[in-house]
Amino acid sequence: DQQVKQNSPSLSVQEGRISILNCDYTNSMFDYFLWYKKYPAEGPTFLISISSIKDKNEDGRFTVFLNKSAKHLSLHIVPSQPGDSAVYFCAASAQLGDDMRFGAGTRLTVKP
Amino acid sequence: KAGVTQTPRYLIKTRGQQVTLSCSPISGHRSVSWYQQTPGQGLQFLFEYFSETQRNKGNFPGRFSGRQFSNSRSEMNVSTLELGDSALYLCASSLGIRDKETQYFGPGTRLLVL
Repeated sequence: DQQVKQNSPSLSVQEGRISILNCDYTNSMFDYFLWYKKYPAEGPTFLISISSIKDKNEDGRFTVFLNKSAKHLSLHIVPSQPGDSAVYFCAASAQLGDDMRFGAGTRLTVKP
Repeated sequence: KAGVTQTPRYLIKTRGQQVTLSCSPISGHRSVSWYQQTPGQGLQFLFEYFSETQRNKGNFPGRFSGRQFSNSRSEMNVSTLELGDSALYLCASSLGIRDKETQYFGPGTRLLVL
């Protein structure tokens, strides 16, 4: 069963604009969320995380928002750059260290 | 510092065969996790090893097994291969079980089952 869902398989935005990637989850026990970025022929790399005690976490151009009541999180990239073009995975676990459940990924394309 | 390495990078097998994939973690990392990536399913957790012991296991059939050696290198074995096992198999290493933010992934082994 897909406990973590990324319903948009792809997203295309113009350079300099905002990219918003969405992720929904079904398991109310999930308390810890991460975003990974994956370039072709490389493994995913950790991008940013958030725990349920916060509703927002910011790191440079990347901000993750968490809405626990809606079981929804989103990743905002502002401003988007061509180098951000990659597949983005969200992942969730009940607590830090537990095995993670991943979404199917969203392919982001940032056009110059 | 060398990254996570996985061998082989590509593999073609036929149904019914078995396969062994290898993962060498970053030096000093003692936790190794394995994931299966298929289109539309994302990454699915297979298992995690720490100090030669399986600590967590995902929802995969018993045909999928693994082990970890004293030098933290890990192998994953799939027996009686099925067409649906065709996927990218990723391993990731971290210092400890709880270090998911500093979990580093290898490039993966792409397995094709014919």
